[in-house]
Amino acid sequence: SQQGEEDPQALSIQEGENATMNCSYKTSINNLQWYRQNSGRGLVHLILIRSNEREKHSGRLRVTLDTSKKSSSLLITASRAADTASYFCATDGRDDKIIFGKGTRLHILP
Amino acid sequence: NAGVTQTPKFRVLKTGQSMTLLCAQDMNHEYMYWYRQDPGMGLRLIHYSVGEGTTAKGEVPDGYNVSRLKKQNFLLGLESAAPSQTSVYFCASSQRGGGEPGTQYFGPGTRLTVT
Repeated sequence: SQQGEEDPQALSIQEGENATMNCSYKTSINNLQWYRQNSGRGLVHLILIRSNEREKHSGRLRVTLDTSKKSSSLLITASRAADTASYFCATDGRDDKIIFGKGTRLHILP
Repeated sequence: NAGVTQTPKFRVLKTGQSMTLLCAQDMNHEYMYWYRQDPGMGLRLIHYSVGEGTTAKGEVPDGYNVSRLKKQNFLLGLESAAPSQTSVYFCASSQRGGGEPGTQYFGPGTRLTVT
């Protein structure tokens, strides 16, 4: 079974608004990563947060990690049309496996 | 640097045929992974490798075999293709850091259809 599960499955917001998506996982992790996938393309790494970190920023991205709740959130501020994509969380499990969730499809409305 | 490349980009197979997908990376990464992506299922790990000459099973290994004879290449084989293997296949690589895999770099994908 997949380690990470994103929520919501799909999200539509107006350009300029903030977008928040969540990821829950089942077992202990070393780190959690977020990736973006544009339609028909490979995944692109956005940000990595380690298990001993609680929050991390990169440009318009803010990631939080709550290991006690086994959850993470990705916030995209001041959304743009180019942010339309699918977003995946990925966790490192046992034996160096990287397991992805099913993703959140984000659509930015003009 | 080309990063991660995959060959071929598209392929149509008949049931029972075999084929090999090639993944190559020029970043000297230790770790390499094969995933398949189906609608609504996200990415599922098929097989992976933590170094030259090593391979390990992922979440959905049945019907696939892999080999990592050279550090830069990771081959995914389908011995007898089935329609259930119709999917988009992604290869990824990452560097080992601090005893754990890090950022993954993905190839552009191979779209496989089995009829």
